[in-house]
Amino acid sequence: DGGITQSPKYLFRKEGQNVTLSCEQNLNHDAMYWYRQDPGQGLRLIYYSQIVNDFQKGDIAEGYSVSREKKESFPLTVTSAQKNPTAFYLCASSIGTPAYEQYFGPGTRLTVT
Amino acid sequence: KNEVEQSPQNLTAQEGEFITINCSYSVGISALHWLQQHPGGGIVSLFMLSSGKKKHGRLIATINIQEKHSSLHITASHPRDSAVYICAVSRWASGSRLTFGEGTQLTVNP
Repeated sequence: DGGITQSPKYLFRKEGQNVTLSCEQNLNHDAMYWYRQDPGQGLRLIYYSQIVNDFQKGDIAEGYSVSREKKESFPLTVTSAQKNPTAFYLCASSIGTPAYEQYFGPGTRLTVT
Repeated sequence: KNEVEQSPQNLTAQEGEFITINCSYSVGISALHWLQQHPGGGIVSLFMLSSGKKKHGRLIATINIQEKHSSLHITASHPRDSAVYICAVSRWASGSRLTFGEGTQLTVNP
């Protein structure tokens, strides 16, 4: 079955630690995205990548970093510089640009204490 | 003011009722997307449309480009339709980036 996997579903970390969230897709999609969702708010774009070895900042990139070394993988690192990292993180992918349907992973709920 | 506004924020219906969720946007778009977020958090794309109307089962999505407005209709609603429905737009200048509304929480009671 083609799709997007994110692991783990729940993640707990201590303040001051960096943490990496996994996102893998086997849809052969060129574009991948990371979103953050906070209670009562819409999704906000953190980073996106339209092609391997290239990525751009989204609306709330501060405190986050990404890499896109392989087409199927787009890991997100939440660094200690992110002031309020506790949130629900969603990864998505699309065939390409400009306007294509996005397919979402199941999400990772990160709690930092 | 958000670029994408949805109404209502919360909606409670009885099983079998016809439901309408509205989305207004203030920017030029290449496409409008309707998404469904289940209680567990997973998101599914329901429709992507740039004109007219699309239908899938009991779901219908319409868009009026001139008025910058879209509606999502659910006919013969069922408790399993209970979810958050999210409107999002993509803009030609932004590639495939989406701008999201805040979502409409729908609860359908049996």
